[in-house]
Amino acid sequence: DAKTTQPPSMDCAEGRAANLPCNHSTISGNEYVYWYRQIHSQGPQYIIHGLKNNETNEMASLIITEDRKSSTLILPHATLRDTAVYYCIARRNAGGTSYGKLTFGQGTILTVHP
Amino acid sequence: DGGITQSPKYLFRKEGQNVTLSCEQNLNHDAMYWYRQDPGQGLRLIYYSQIVNDFQKGDIAEGYSVSREKKESFPLTVTSAQKNPTAFYLCASSMGRTGGAYEQYFGPGTRLTVT
Repeated sequence: DAKTTQPPSMDCAEGRAANLPCNHSTISGNEYVYWYRQIHSQGPQYIIHGLKNNETNEMASLIITEDRKSSTLILPHATLRDTAVYYCIARRNAGGTSYGKLTFGQGTILTVHP
Repeated sequence: DGGITQSPKYLFRKEGQNVTLSCEQNLNHDAMYWYRQDPGQGLRLIYYSQIVNDFQKGDIAEGYSVSREKKESFPLTVTSAQKNPTAFYLCASSMGRTGGAYEQYFGPGTRLTVT
């Protein structure tokens, strides 16, 4: 799985959009970009994933650059409850020898301020 | 409600004792996983199972054992052979066995302290 690089921490004002960047310059064509977050002392929560196209769901939007070397997770209206560690992961499809494993790096600590 | 349950939330054991952590899911997922998380660190895969009665070692399987007798259950035993068992243990499940992009859903975790 491709290595991902994220800033160690970011701040955001409540109600504003939070834009979390991720660099995955060595990503291969069959690797998806996944985003998870982990609130302190809880299990990670799946947010969104994508391959090539931009994706949106009820939680967030994922913008992937055309060359797929980087992506941005957007929380459109951040709340205090969005304070968490956000992980960007590049991973191949399920199946094969790397089946299932999610490699979590250090992630980005997002702090949402009132 | 569908989801993954882990019990107990906190567990305390004496060194040298085996301990079993429970993980149950009612999502009808084929695959289940066990991860370990140490303070300030990412998750590391211990074991995973793609189907009933089958499981594979992850990156740090030494000192752990699992079973998968039922689709919905994947208990993890931390044996006395595990040198540093104190950690936060997370169970996850996902839908697919082959192909596609199947996200993993995590339980709330069990925090194990061994003294």
